[in-house]
Amino acid sequence: DTEVTQTPKHLVMGMTNKKSLKCEQHMGHRAMYWYKQKAKKPPELMFVYSYEKLSINESVPSRFSPECPNSSLLNLHLHALQPEDSALYLCASSQEVYTGELFFGEGSRLTVL
Amino acid sequence: GQSLEQPSEVTAVEGAIVQINCTYQTSGFYGLSWYQQHDGGAPTFLSYNGLDGLEETGRFSSFLSRSDSYGYLLLQELQMKDSASYFCAVRANTGFQKLVFGTGTRLLVSP
Repeated sequence: DTEVTQTPKHLVMGMTNKKSLKCEQHMGHRAMYWYKQKAKKPPELMFVYSYEKLSINESVPSRFSPECPNSSLLNLHLHALQPEDSALYLCASSQEVYTGELFFGEGSRLTVL
Repeated sequence: GQSLEQPSEVTAVEGAIVQINCTYQTSGFYGLSWYQQHDGGAPTFLSYNGLDGLEETGRFSSFLSRSDSYGYLLLQELQMKDSASYFCAVRANTGFQKLVFGTGTRLLVSP
């Protein structure tokens, strides 16, 4: 299994809602990532987990809250988002953080109304 | 911080060869990766250069010159399905290692 699976594929939420994005991989990878991508822009790193511990938070607003329940799962909890947070949220994994080869999921397309 | 520059768009015809350049400025450089992303799809890994020189994988090759802070992706025998966005990405160490993506190059292949 060489897939990173993300759910939901599409999400529409209001600014007062609470929702979560989920990501799963079964490749035995020990590093997992959240990236945010706006249309026609490169992916921007948000968070990095290494061995289930948060190792990088790229100064992301607290309305985004990551969670890594175990080595296969990564969640992104969303609360009180703004319309400008609408984007494609990409999860990725890699063997370790010391690699240039990341495996990406198809992404969750988020629209904040 | 890091900055990676790529041409915004490149056009070519089927069967041709195209080169996508990437220049970077970063501290703690470890290597340069290339990713392909079709519209609506996920980025997929193409190649990684940790050392100077050329890496070849089928129709795609990637080159790195650390002294020039420069790399390129070479696509040969272009096919229509190669129309996509291509991103270089630097593995850098600014306290913690992370992968930072370049601005991206949109490749349009025409018949």
